[in-house]
Amino acid sequence: DVLMTQTPVSLPVSLGGQVSISCRSSQSLVHSDGNTYLHWYLQKPGQSPQLLIYRVSNRFSGVPDRFSGSGSGTDFTLKISRVEPEDLGVYYCLQSTHFPLTFGSGTKLEIK
Amino acid sequence: EVQLVESGGGLVQPGRSLKLSCLASGFTFSNYGMNWIRQAPGKGLEWVASISSSSSYIYYADTVKGRFTISRDNAKNTLYLQMTSLRSEDTALYYCARRHTMGPFDYWGQGVMVTVSS
Repeated sequence: DVLMTQTPVSLPVSLGGQVSISCRSSQSLVHSDGNTYLHWYLQKPGQSPQLLIYRVSNRFSGVPDRFSGSGSGTDFTLKISRVEPEDLGVYYCLQSTHFPLTFGSGTKLEIK
Repeated sequence: EVQLVESGGGLVQPGRSLKLSCLASGFTFSNYGMNWIRQAPGKGLEWVASISSSSSYIYYADTVKGRFTISRDNAKNTLYLQMTSLRSEDTALYYCARRHTMGPFDYWGQGVMVTVSS
């Protein structure tokens, strides 16, 4: 199984600041079709997860450009700039290149 | 508007069975792969099972293989999860989610709670 190591576990931030979350996989996420199926989600308190970024760097519909994704192979990063109160919650990475599909353990973004 | 509404959860004793349903609307259900994902109280997300649009491909997490069965009825726009031999560690909020053609789960239901306890 692909292990997704997500860091940090907790991330204090000041509103208006910038943060980065790392997600590393135990094996390459490049699929045989050439695509990399690494995605990012935000779960706000009491809500279902919502898709932010798909296939490393593509913003999902309606996601502000304050969110950006990058990386390749086994090393990926989610950056959030100009943090707003609505950005608080737990962020997860997900790989859907290999079965079983696996999530990172989550990063809680909270106010400093 | 895409909507996914789960139902069928509840309190069940260890070793018993339960069947979850997910009613889809707002999109052509038969064109999309579907998934079940669960979240134990206070814990992270765990993928449970996937089924392709025509039910040709089905995958399970090792933790549920042999005990859970994912299925779908495209005529009823409904996804199912039959859960047998339930254990306390199956206690979780169960989400159904649509799989986007680009790979991610793009829409999720609100979740249904399953509690396994005597």
